[in-house]
Amino acid sequence: AQSVAQPEDQVNVAEGNPLTVKCTYSVSGNPYLFWYVQYPNRGLQFLLKYITGDNLVKGSYGFEAEFNKSQTSFHLKKPSALVSDSALYFCAVRERIGGFKTIFGAGTRLFVKA
Amino acid sequence: ETGVTQTPRHLVMGMTNKKSLKCEQHLGHNAMYWYKQSAKKPLELMFVYNFKEQTENNSVPSRFSPECPNSSHLFLHLHTLQPEDSALYLCASSQDRGQGSSPLHFGNGTRLTVT
Repeated sequence: AQSVAQPEDQVNVAEGNPLTVKCTYSVSGNPYLFWYVQYPNRGLQFLLKYITGDNLVKGSYGFEAEFNKSQTSFHLKKPSALVSDSALYFCAVRERIGGFKTIFGAGTRLFVKA
Repeated sequence: ETGVTQTPRHLVMGMTNKKSLKCEQHLGHNAMYWYKQSAKKPLELMFVYNFKEQTENNSVPSRFSPECPNSSHLFLHLHTLQPEDSALYLCASSQDRGQGSSPLHFGNGTRLTVT
């Protein structure tokens, strides 16, 4: 069965510093991997995805993620954090089991301090 | 402005009440989903509809009853709920063309409190 793990409940980083939010996954076939962000009192917003090709994918708001097949990881990164990046981040994997099913990690809360 | 609209934004109901959550998507997508988001728990997939047909029921109790009259509208009918059903209920849609690479588009959710 597919699964997604986000090992950190919370990540704290100072504004201007690089940030990394970790994600590892387990699927039986080739994964479709996604990152979403959730701001307070809002639904989830799509940030970026990996389907195939270049292991480094770029997304919205300056975020990028690196797919590592050998480590089954898909960590979210940003070179310079902003206070406005503070939010809840979800990693997700999509696999075809009958229809398509998206499974989310538990989420990582990012705090960016000014 | 989100292309997926959920109403109401907040709902308080007693355990004996019957209420419905509504979701409408303006994106022309063919798949719609209900997710439950509880504090300190991963998002739980509840139901999936593709071209109005239910393709997934993730062992959801029968006190939750979904309805999908067309590809743009999705309802979640609620009756005799329990306090532990209090959560944020999120609707999402996607355009599935058999590849699974399309992201989900979420509404802002309905915050449900069962008293």
